[in-house]
Amino acid sequence: QVQLVQSGAEVKKPAASVIVSCKASGYTFTSYYMHWVRQAPGQGLEWMGIINPSGGTTSYAQKFQGRVTMTRDTSTSTLYMELSSLRSEDTAVYYCARASGSSYYNGMDVWGQGTTVSVSS
Amino acid sequence: QSVLTQPPSASGTPGQRVTISCSGSSSNIGSSDVYWYQQLPGTAPKLLIYSNSQRPSGVPDRFSGSKSGTSASLAISGLRSEDEAVYYCAAWDDSLGAWVFGGGSRLTVL
Repeated sequence: QVQLVQSGAEVKKPAASVIVSCKASGYTFTSYYMHWVRQAPGQGLEWMGIINPSGGTTSYAQKFQGRVTMTRDTSTSTLYMELSSLRSEDTAVYYCARASGSSYYNGMDVWGQGTTVSVSS
Repeated sequence: QSVLTQPPSASGTPGQRVTISCSGSSSNIGSSDVYWYQQLPGTAPKLLIYSNSQRPSGVPDRFSGSKSGTSASLAISGLRSEDEAVYYCAAWDDSLGAWVFGGGSRLTVL
């Protein structure tokens, strides 16, 4: 079965960077794009960007341009999302979510369990 | 302020039918497929509806989706207590070049 297993919770200080990983299994890794979505405490869902695991190309939400980097390791079927220059407003649960196909226009079908990132001095 | 507009809350009694609306524009719902997600407390979102009205395997047929113009709706019939959750709509927005979500609708089963 399709599974996305994310890395554990992180506590970071302002201005630091965080890397969240997402290990995929149960399907052909390079055949499905991967979204990253975050959810601040008590708030709704916010799209951060998407990566093509095959070629590594990415598309980021304008809000995160310059601060987010999405990468992948095809040898381990793992994706990474790095967010830099952290501030308190970045405190949130970060999700990887598989796209339902191989394009930016495919929505999310399977979600990881989420990774809590807390930013505090 | 979310790009897609949903009512913040909805409610119904067991067995009833409830609908949740999602309003957008020509650059998102008007030109893209709509997805619906269910988020139970403390869990990751789960796909309920894709491509406006399609249900993934395993999703009960009590859940149905529709789209007309720049609006979409999620209907839940035969309401059950376990349907209490927050429901989100989502679509690709051509103008923003990004996926956008509704603000979420919290469903209460009275």
